[in-house]
Amino acid sequence: EDQVTQSPEALRLQEGESSSLNCSYTVSGLRGLFWYRQDPGKGPEFLFTLYSAGEEKEKERLKATLTKKESFLHITAPKPEDSATYLCAVHSGSNYKLTFGKGTLLTVNP
Amino acid sequence: NAGVTQTPKFRVLKTGQSMTLLCAQDMNHEYMYWYRQDPGMGLRLIHYSVGEGTTAKGEVPDGYNVSRLKKQNFLLGLESAAPSQTSVYFCASSGTKGQGDYGYTFGSGTRLTVV
Repeated sequence: EDQVTQSPEALRLQEGESSSLNCSYTVSGLRGLFWYRQDPGKGPEFLFTLYSAGEEKEKERLKATLTKKESFLHITAPKPEDSATYLCAVHSGSNYKLTFGKGTLLTVNP
Repeated sequence: NAGVTQTPKFRVLKTGQSMTLLCAQDMNHEYMYWYRQDPGMGLRLIHYSVGEGTTAKGEVPDGYNVSRLKKQNFLLGLESAAPSQTSVYFCASSGTKGQGDYGYTFGSGTRLTVV
């Protein structure tokens, strides 16, 4: 059974203070690892897909990286508008579905 | 705008009542999903569909039924609501089995309270 563990559960940063969120996974044949952003009262919004170890993707202040066991979401010089819950999910084998972690609640104070 | 639309956005039910949540997508996606999101539990798959006329059980299907009579619509039914079904329900769709480069497209959710 696929498992996804995200840490920390919550992270509070000052504006401009860079940090990283972790997503550890156990799957049988990774076909894709996904990062989503979720704002309060809204549905998750797609950020990145990573397919193989060593791959990196960037979008504005966010950079996602992937190893064989975990993925990191690096946030460089965050702003208050980056405050949200960040979700990690995996797609494996012949499954039709994504398995999600419980998320990291990021708060960036001005 | 293209996307996934869920109705209603909010609903309060009494225990034992029934209701149907509607999900509509206009992206011609084959795959559609119903998830529930609870504090501390993350997103859990209820049912999913791999094409028009098909449905399958996910992780937490008990107490729910689904139908996909048209490709663009995926309905989630609660026959006899229970307080344990109080949750936020999300519908999602994707264009490929492998989820592709864009993962799921989610709706904005339905917040259901069962009293």
